[in-house]
Amino acid sequence: KQEVTQIPAALSVPEGENLVLNCSFTDSAIYNLQWFRQDPGKGLTSLLLIQSSQREQTSGRLNASLDKSSGRSTLYIAASQPGDSATYLCAVRLSTNYQLIWGAGTKLIIKP
Amino acid sequence: SAVISQKPSRDICQRGTSLTIQCQVDSQVTMMFWYRQQPGQSLTLIATANQGSEATYESGFVIDKFPISRPNLTFSTLTVSNMSPEDSSIYLCSVATGEWDEQFFGPGTRLTVL
Repeated sequence: KQEVTQIPAALSVPEGENLVLNCSFTDSAIYNLQWFRQDPGKGLTSLLLIQSSQREQTSGRLNASLDKSSGRSTLYIAASQPGDSATYLCAVRLSTNYQLIWGAGTKLIIKP
Repeated sequence: SAVISQKPSRDICQRGTSLTIQCQVDSQVTMMFWYRQQPGQSLTLIATANQGSEATYESGFVIDKFPISRPNLTFSTLTVSNMSPEDSSIYLCSVATGEWDEQFFGPGTRLTVL
């Protein structure tokens, strides 16, 4: 059974720092992995999607990597800003269907 | 990408009543999904709704409690029936689209049952 774990559960850093959020999964037979952000009381915004055949994806200050063999993905946020404060979720899609398996999220606070 | 809207954005309902949530997408999509997010929890998939076929429900969710309609490729509804306070959650619809089946989410419907 696929399980997704995100560490840390919460993170508070000063503005301007570069930071890394971690996501691990137990079964390497994934179709893709997506990173989302969720603002309090709101829906989810898709940040990056990495296909199983890819190693990384970049969008602006965000870079996501994928290492299937070790069951890990990282989301790197460069030059963090207070507007980056949100909960970040990773989700793994299995090869067999469309269902996403979700991590519990990392709550990120960027202090001005 | 896909732009998704949901109605209502929030509602407060009485125990025993039903609420229908609407989900509208700005493009035609095959796969639509309904999720529930209980307070402080991650997302739980309720069902997958494909146009022209019956919705497929996940373990723990049944059609009598969460009937779903999918009349066309841009619209779906989820009804939460005979509500109890345990149904208080955010309900989100989602679509998978694009070359890599990226999933996009609506803004959610915050439901409170008294």
